[in-house]
Amino acid sequence: NAGVMQNPRHLVRRRGQEARLRCSPMKGHSHVYWYRQLPEEGLKFMVYLQKENIIDESGMPKERFSAEFPKEGPSILRIQQVVRGDSAAYFCASSLQGENEQFFGPGTRLTVL
Amino acid sequence: DQQVKQNSPSLSVQEGRISILNCDYTNSMFDYFLWYKKYPAEGPTFLISISSIKDKNEDGRFTVFLNKSAKHLSLHIVPSQPGDSAVYFCAARASEKLVFGKGTKLTVNP
Repeated sequence: NAGVMQNPRHLVRRRGQEARLRCSPMKGHSHVYWYRQLPEEGLKFMVYLQKENIIDESGMPKERFSAEFPKEGPSILRIQQVVRGDSAAYFCASSLQGENEQFFGPGTRLTVL
Repeated sequence: DQQVKQNSPSLSVQEGRISILNCDYTNSMFDYFLWYKKYPAEGPTFLISISSIKDKNEDGRFTVFLNKSAKHLSLHIVPSQPGDSAVYFCAARASEKLVFGKGTKLTVNP
C-alpha cells in the first residue's frame, strides 16, 4: 500500500518562473492538505482540498498561489512568478474521510534562485 | 501568535532511559492532538494521537498524556533507542487543519 507520493522531490526555479508541485494521496484517501515549512520552523497549513473542491484555503497567500485536486490525477500546488521567499519545503498530506490522522509525503524542496 | 509551542528546541537522553517531550497550546477549540517524527529530508511520520476527551493514549513504547486544564500534552518514549533520534513535532487539530509546533530535536545517545 503506497504512501503519499510527491514529485518532484527537488525543484529549482529562477525568480519569475512557475513552480508546479504534485501530490498523489494514499489509496482510498479523498482529503488532501498542503503545508509549507520554512527553515527552523514548524509546518504551516496552506490549503485543504477534497476531490474537485477547495474546502479551506485560509493559509494560502492571496496572490500567485493556487491549488487543485481534480477528479482524476494528483493534486497540484501551483506557484506563479516565484520569489526567493517561496523557497521552502512543501509537504502534502492525505487522510480518509472521517479520520483524524493525516499522513505525509516526503515533500518537495523548492529553491528559488 | 503561536498557538502550539514546543519550548525545548532540543533534548538529549541516554539509551534505555525515558524521553519526555512537551507541548503547550493556547486554543481551546483544538479537538485532537498528534505527534509526528521527522528525519532530515523526509516527511513527518505519524506516531501517536489523542482525542481531547481522553487524558492518555499508549502504543508500545510511546505514551501521550493530555492535561486539558493546563493546555499541555507530553510524549513519553520508554525505553529510548538511538533510532528514536529525530525531530518531534506536536500538532493540534482545529477544523480539519493541523497547527504545528516548531519541533524538538531528540538525540538518544548509545
